[in-house]
Amino acid sequence: GIQVEQSPPDLILQEGANSTLRCNFSDSVNNLQWFHQNPWGQLINLFYIPSGTKQNGRLSATTVATERYSLLYISSSQTTDSGVYFCAVEFNRDDKIIFGKGTRLHILP
Amino acid sequence: EAQVTQNPRYLITVTGKKLTVTCSQNMNHEYMSWYRQDPGLGLRQIYYSMNVEVTDKGDVPEGYKVSRKEKRNFPLILESPSPNQTSLYFCASSFRTSGGDLEQYFGPGTRLTVT
Repeated sequence: GIQVEQSPPDLILQEGANSTLRCNFSDSVNNLQWFHQNPWGQLINLFYIPSGTKQNGRLSATTVATERYSLLYISSSQTTDSGVYFCAVEFNRDDKIIFGKGTRLHILP
Repeated sequence: EAQVTQNPRYLITVTGKKLTVTCSQNMNHEYMSWYRQDPGLGLRQIYYSMNVEVTDKGDVPEGYKVSRKEKRNFPLILESPSPNQTSLYFCASSFRTSGGDLEQYFGPGTRLTVT
């Protein structure tokens, strides 16, 4: 069936380190978004990126639609980057949106 | 300020007592949806609506109802809540451009406990 898989499930890093989070998806997509859920539960839109590369400050994302994956890069991590990162995918076949189970990132001071 | 609002933010109720969680957006978005978030399962879509009077089931619609009588409002109704509906609920609204872009914006969440 349709799947969205994120890796790694958990990541602990020292402040200042770089990280790469991955989202694999099983079918062609209309849309793909990356979200950050902060420790207070708030979901924050990071990138809308069904294909190509985007950058916003220390964060950047790349989606290779033909190979069915997306990567989120976080450079020079800060403690405020802690939380859970989700990718959400809208597949071509219908209008449902499927979330991955997330990557929990913990940045140590 | 563009926003998605949900009410209530926290609710503790008993099994079988009907409840409604309201969701409202002021961005004139056409697409709205409801999700539940459970530990280890991520966010799962309950229902979504492409426009007024158009609603469709997501992945986990059992035990829920929705309505879309106006573009700005998309209430989630639990006719007879059960303990397995204890969860964190998010409402989202989205705008689809002519090119097919769909960006979602989330409400603050509603934490529901059913005893």
